[in-house]
Amino acid sequence: GENVEQHPSTLSVQEGDSAVIKCTYSDSASNYFPWYKQELGKRPQLIIDIRSNVGEKKDQRIAVTLNKTAKHFSLHITETQPEDSAVYFCAASRWNNNDMRFGAGTRLTVKP
Amino acid sequence: GAGVSQTPSNKVTEKGKYVELRCDPISGHTALYWYRQSLGQGPEFLIYFQGTGAADDSGLPNDRFFAVRPEGSVSTLKIQRTERGDSAVYLCASSPAASTGELFFGEGSRLTVL
Repeated sequence: GENVEQHPSTLSVQEGDSAVIKCTYSDSASNYFPWYKQELGKRPQLIIDIRSNVGEKKDQRIAVTLNKTAKHFSLHITETQPEDSAVYFCAASRWNNNDMRFGAGTRLTVKP
Repeated sequence: GAGVSQTPSNKVTEKGKYVELRCDPISGHTALYWYRQSLGQGPEFLIYFQGTGAADDSGLPNDRFFAVRPEGSVSTLKIQRTERGDSAVYLCASSPAASTGELFFGEGSRLTVL
């Protein structure tokens, strides 16, 4: 089955700096790669996703890049703000989602 | 409803007891997923339903765990003879169909086995 590895496990940045979180996956048939944000005690919520037919997707301060050959994808957050502080999870699955596997998470702290 | 609803939000039980956790998905969502999240870890896949049938139960750790969705809406995760290692947050998620992408998660049921 799919195996997703994520790093770093913790990341601390100064407000206004950029943050980058990286994930690798094992199943070359995976073609859907979402990122979820989970605030303390809250449910995970989708923040951005990318399908394998594109290499990059951007939504305001958040972007995701995908390298299918190397089987890795990354989340980029620019101009970080304290409210970006949370745990971020990457995930990978095939088209039908039923085998979606999550990374172990990255705890991002943005210091004011 | 407005979102995925899970009950109870917290459950404390003793080792060896039987536990049921309920998930009420977003109305009209045909796909339903159960995940387990231990402290400091990502959600771990348990089981996936498409309609009433369990399309993939490969994540259930052993035969003490079972889940049903008899009418294709509400689902119940059942854990028999609970063990301390079962302590975790059990997350339910739903989506409109299996291939649409986003999973909508509930707030989770925190299970503590003493």
